[in-house]
Amino acid sequence: SAVISQKPSRDICQRGTSLTIQCQVDSQVTMMFWYRQQPGQSLTLIATANQGSEATYESGFVIDKFPISRPNLTFSTLTVSNLSPEDSSIYLCSVDPQGLDYEQYFGPGTRLTVT
Amino acid sequence: GENVEQHPSTLSVQEGDSAVIKCTYSDSASNYFPWYKQELGKGPQLIIDIRSNVGEKKDQRIAVTLNKTAKHFSLHITETQPEDSAVYFCAASEEYGNKLVFGAGTILRVKS
Repeated sequence: SAVISQKPSRDICQRGTSLTIQCQVDSQVTMMFWYRQQPGQSLTLIATANQGSEATYESGFVIDKFPISRPNLTFSTLTVSNLSPEDSSIYLCSVDPQGLDYEQYFGPGTRLTVT
Repeated sequence: GENVEQHPSTLSVQEGDSAVIKCTYSDSASNYFPWYKQELGKGPQLIIDIRSNVGEKKDQRIAVTLNKTAKHFSLHITETQPEDSAVYFCAASEEYGNKLVFGAGTILRVKS
């Protein structure tokens, strides 16, 4: 497995602003993912963060709204831009330490509230 | 793409009883099926998984069974304890992109 930390753990933001979430892993991993979990809902994949190239976004998610960086094999950031109350969710990063193995481990999540 | 359905949405059991959560999936190419436990305020924790070349896997009080023909898999928790109370998610792999598709979740309450 892997030890994953996220910063911040929670934040309250004004609409129209942006929040950048950091995900740090204790070992180098090939695959990193970002998920959104809306209140009381399941997990929805936002994008796969690729090291050295652009992230791969899922249907319904766009780079302008959710820019992602992956500067190395242990770190990634997700920015949620131009916030609206509908963006209030838990944002989670996950990693697949073995790469192409599907076995994913999740960070503790970042709880975002937009007012 | 893959679609995963999970039942029941809520489950209440008495401490010591067994709990069973069921999931069905749509893509016959899926070959990896994990279960996650999410406690309040925490990220999902991988508790057990099964791959398509195995029909059953057990780890102490939890077990997972897979029926590839019927495209369903189940989580079994025996001798439930109050600390088993949480939300449980099943998932299935998508053939491309190393991705997981999650079920809607089951709220398990173990009453003492």
